[in-house]
Amino acid sequence: KNEVEQSPQNLTAQEGEFITINCSYSVGISALHWLQQHPGGGIVSLFMLSSGKKKHGRLIATINIQEKHSSLHITASHPRDSAVYICAVLNAGGTSYGKLTFGQGTILTVHP
Amino acid sequence: NAGVMQNPRHLVRRRGQEARLRCSPMKGHSHVYWYRQLPEEGLKFMVYLQKENIIDESGMPKERFSAEFPKEGPSILRIQQVVRGDSAAYFCASSPPSATGRAFFGQGTRLTVV
Repeated sequence: KNEVEQSPQNLTAQEGEFITINCSYSVGISALHWLQQHPGGGIVSLFMLSSGKKKHGRLIATINIQEKHSSLHITASHPRDSAVYICAVLNAGGTSYGKLTFGQGTILTVHP
Repeated sequence: NAGVMQNPRHLVRRRGQEARLRCSPMKGHSHVYWYRQLPEEGLKFMVYLQKENIIDESGMPKERFSAEFPKEGPSILRIQQVVRGDSAAYFCASSPPSATGRAFFGQGTRLTVV
């Protein structure tokens, strides 16, 4: 079993829909990242969380440390949101912020 | 302030050749990380470097792969005697030395071994 599990693996939505991507992890962590990767493109860090909730534009990320679970929400989805969304964790006690363990990613397709 | 710069973006090598991938971290960042993304697989950590030091290479294959981050110039990931299974996207990230610094990723180098 992977240390970081994402669901769903694939997600198709119509433009304007509210989208939720889930991430569960089995280890103690000090931080969790949500990343975005467009096909053939680079990786963009959307959020880094260690507790609570963060919001940036139409994106909201939440984390529940006790339940070892995080969610990424996209409100009013748009075709340009189509990408792979990746959850990554930094194990507890880690002092380097780049040695991450990654989920398999969620492929999001938003149709016009 | 330019982001993390990787070059080349695409690299084609024949089996047995050497591949050199470069990563210039963001200004002020002294920590560099390399990751590999094999086709149809998730990202995997390879190595963590600071200037002139390898801090953690637990994700590096035991043979043919090496990494360095010299005092001057970019970090280099070197793959000797490449094989088809090395074909992947290789990403570099950098972070500042502070405890609150998060990692920023480059655009990646797509290596194809023919």
